[in-house]
Amino acid sequence: DAGITQSPRHKVTETGTPVTLRCHQTENHRYMYWYRQDPGHGLRLIHYSYGVKDTDKGEVSDGYSVSRSKTEDFLLTLESATSSQTSVYFCAISEMLEPNQPQHFGDGTRLSIL
Amino acid sequence: QQPVQSPQAVILREGEDAVINCSSSKALYSVHWYRQKHGEAPVFLMILLKGGEQKGHEKISASFNEKKQQSSLYLTASQLSYSGTYFCGTRADTGFQKLVFGTGTRLLVSP
Repeated sequence: DAGITQSPRHKVTETGTPVTLRCHQTENHRYMYWYRQDPGHGLRLIHYSYGVKDTDKGEVSDGYSVSRSKTEDFLLTLESATSSQTSVYFCAISEMLEPNQPQHFGDGTRLSIL
Repeated sequence: QQPVQSPQAVILREGEDAVINCSSSKALYSVHWYRQKHGEAPVFLMILLKGGEQKGHEKISASFNEKKQQSSLYLTASQLSYSGTYFCGTRADTGFQKLVFGTGTRLLVSP
């Protein structure tokens, strides 16, 4: 199994509070991704990173920011959480961006915003 | 643009076969297949590149029809362990394109 650890695994918080989710990898892979998974929508890309301090937006990036100060850590921040951001968040990694490279997923963080 | 998966759900008895389709309106370079069990992370199954390559993984195989921009996942002689939600992820053929996932096909294999 790919060495990917997401923390926390579960979190309940209130609307308007800041939230940070962490993804830690031990594979030294260059690419890291944050997805959210909601019923009826599948996995949707929020942000991704192609190296330290190199990040870019995905299809549902509004309301989210990311940072990557070390190869192994990719942080997802909700500056002011809203109920629409209640979801399961998955981090993924891949060695390269080549079309034949798989993505490997962490176990997910279940986030509830009341 | 999100690929379309069909059917949305399948119920099988152990030993039966199933086909899951993934279609895109864009020209594709690759199709990824993943399986996710309830409450767990998606797990990589296989990747198909344009060129009509067919791949196999035990009793699970897949094909990629470049002309139709469609991939099909074949599950033969299904086992209970095959239950879960199957996702395809597609990468377009032009420029730098991220992986876009379909909404999934739920498969339930019963004894």
